[in-house]
Amino acid sequence: GAGVSQSPSNKVTEKGKDVELRCDPISGHTALYWYRQSLGQGLEFLIYFQGNSAPDKSGLPSDRFSAERTGGSVSTLTIQRTQQEDSAVYLCATQGAAYNEQFFGPGTRLTVL
Amino acid sequence: AQSVTQPDIHITVSEGASLELRCNYSYGATPYLFWYVQSPGQGLQLLLKYFSGDTLVQGIKGFEAEFKRSQSSFNLRKPSVHWSDAAEYFCAVGSSGYSTLTFGKGTMLLVSP
Repeated sequence: GAGVSQSPSNKVTEKGKDVELRCDPISGHTALYWYRQSLGQGLEFLIYFQGNSAPDKSGLPSDRFSAERTGGSVSTLTIQRTQQEDSAVYLCATQGAAYNEQFFGPGTRLTVL
Repeated sequence: AQSVTQPDIHITVSEGASLELRCNYSYGATPYLFWYVQSPGQGLQLLLKYFSGDTLVQGIKGFEAEFKRSQSSFNLRKPSVHWSDAAEYFCAVGSSGYSTLTFGKGTMLLVSP
């Protein structure tokens, strides 16, 4: 497809379960970002991948959060032992050139019961 | 640390009236500034960006923004608002090249008939 896609669009899980969120970037975009959008907190950076460099994990809120990017393409954000405060919309964005904007996917709405 | 302030959480504008959404930033280096719009249930769409050069930038959907370094501001304007402009608007700042973005908390625009 032409844009960034994310799956699932909605995910409801029980507290303590693990979840995986997927991001399919625009083909050829070397930079990939994960952000979280929650009520009262706005949009927060989580993690950033650029090519083959080590990811910037400085925004991850706890060690329950991790992400990987396989083959420089698809990325998966994993949240272990989910908590209610993890409920949010998780947005993926990709960037194709250094002076271009980030293109955002539609997001995954995560609800932890 | 960089930050973005959008002082107005909600703004209501009559259809056909002019609009100005405020954005102030704090950034230690040359800022790269963005305005994104998010419709309900959608991802973020770029309206316009400022990297350098002319401080008045034109975007899509008839929007424009003016970078004022002395005031650390990047306000978004539209001369005549349409009902379809009702959405949430986010101002963001980043650095040159590949960079995570710092977002404001957003301004929700309501358009009255």
